[in-house]
Amino acid sequence: DAGVIQSPRHEVTEMGQEVTLRCKPISGHNSLFWYRQTMMRGLELLIYFNNNVPIDDSGMPEDRFSAKMPNASFSTLKIQPSEPRDSAVYFCASSPGQGTSATDTQYFGPGTRLTVL
Amino acid sequence: GQQLNQSPQSMFIQEGEDVSMNCTSSSIFNTWLWYKQDPGEGPVLLIALYKAGELTSNGRLTAQFGTTRKDSFLNISASIPSDVGIYFCAGQRDTGNQFYFGTGTSLTVIP
Repeated sequence: DAGVIQSPRHEVTEMGQEVTLRCKPISGHNSLFWYRQTMMRGLELLIYFNNNVPIDDSGMPEDRFSAKMPNASFSTLKIQPSEPRDSAVYFCASSPGQGTSATDTQYFGPGTRLTVL
Repeated sequence: GQQLNQSPQSMFIQEGEDVSMNCTSSSIFNTWLWYKQDPGEGPVLLIALYKAGELTSNGRLTAQFGTTRKDSFLNISASIPSDVGIYFCAGQRDTGNQFYFGTGTSLTVIP
């Protein structure tokens, strides 16, 4: 079975450019999560969706970040304009639950390593 | 956001040794998870805990849900080189499904 798919795996861009990260969750999963991982701050939840609806975006750093989930099989995380401090590994994860179950195990994708020069 | 502190931050051990690490929080959690992250990959779930005091094993790994519900522990027995990686704890409160992740423990096993 295919796990969570993320693309691209690596992205190098210049400051000020727009960056779009893509995620395909595991088929049948109802929740999707975007995380950012850095050495300094560890793994941080940015936003999560349940049934394609954003539930909690309090972790989104600022207005430069936006996320969409137009359907159950696709989500994007966009940074516009990008800055060097956005350099990190961005993970997408999905879970089968509806949002309140204690057994909502999250399955992570391989991540996108973003470098903003 | 909620911060989970993991200890130690890093460990260097000889192959065959046992490993112990812990995760503490200022808040009560009703679910604790332990993940392992290999270099260049996403975290993979190792063990899930759902009750205070629960002790669960997965091969050479054993994890415990602390009785105060504010901490959890992971032990690895007879370490091998493939145990190398970063181990994360994650906690969930009783409402919603947001998990808060710990700061990670980096494990290096010396053959």
